[in-house]
Amino acid sequence: GENVEQHPSTLSVQEGDSAVIKCTYSDSASNYFPWYKQELGKGPQLIIDIRSNVGEKKDQRIAVTLNKTAKHFSLHITETQPEDSAVYFCAASKGGSYIPTFGRGTSLIVHP
Amino acid sequence: NAGVTQTPKFQVLKTGQSMTLQCAQDMNHNSMYWYRQDPGMGLRLIYYSASEGTTDKGEVPNGYNVSRLNKREFSLRLESAAPSQTSVYFCASSEDGEGYGYTFGSGTRLTVV
Repeated sequence: GENVEQHPSTLSVQEGDSAVIKCTYSDSASNYFPWYKQELGKGPQLIIDIRSNVGEKKDQRIAVTLNKTAKHFSLHITETQPEDSAVYFCAASKGGSYIPTFGRGTSLIVHP
Repeated sequence: NAGVTQTPKFQVLKTGQSMTLQCAQDMNHNSMYWYRQDPGMGLRLIYYSASEGTTDKGEVPNGYNVSRLNKREFSLRLESAAPSQTSVYFCASSEDGEGYGYTFGSGTRLTVV
């Protein structure tokens, strides 16, 4: 089955810096890669996703890149703010009726 | 607001007690899921339902049962709670087809003593 590894497990940055979280996957048939943000005491929330026919996608300060050859994808957050502090999860899915596989999460701490 | 509603938000059980976690979505999604989240373990799938009337086991189904009551509601039952079931439980739903993300509920924090 699919295996998703996520690094780092903890990331500490200063406000205004950039943050990058990386995930690798094992199943070359995976074609959908969502990212979720989980704030303390809340459920995960989808923040951005990318499909395998696209190499990069941006939404304001966040972007996701996908390298299908190397089977890895990354979340980039620019100009970090304290409200970006949360746990971020990546996932990989083959779409359709397949259940996505989640990474174990990255705790991002943005220091004011 | 549209979304996934879970009840209760908090619960403390004694070992051996039973309870049902409720979940309802109002987005007309066919697929619904139950996950548990433990420190350092990420999100682990307990059961899922691809459509009304169908349920399937996930990664960690032992000790749990589910019911897809109708298209909106998907409940999770613990028949005889054990301390190992202390966790945060999330319900989620999604659209069908290629590549749709999940909408998660706000979670139920369960403690079994």
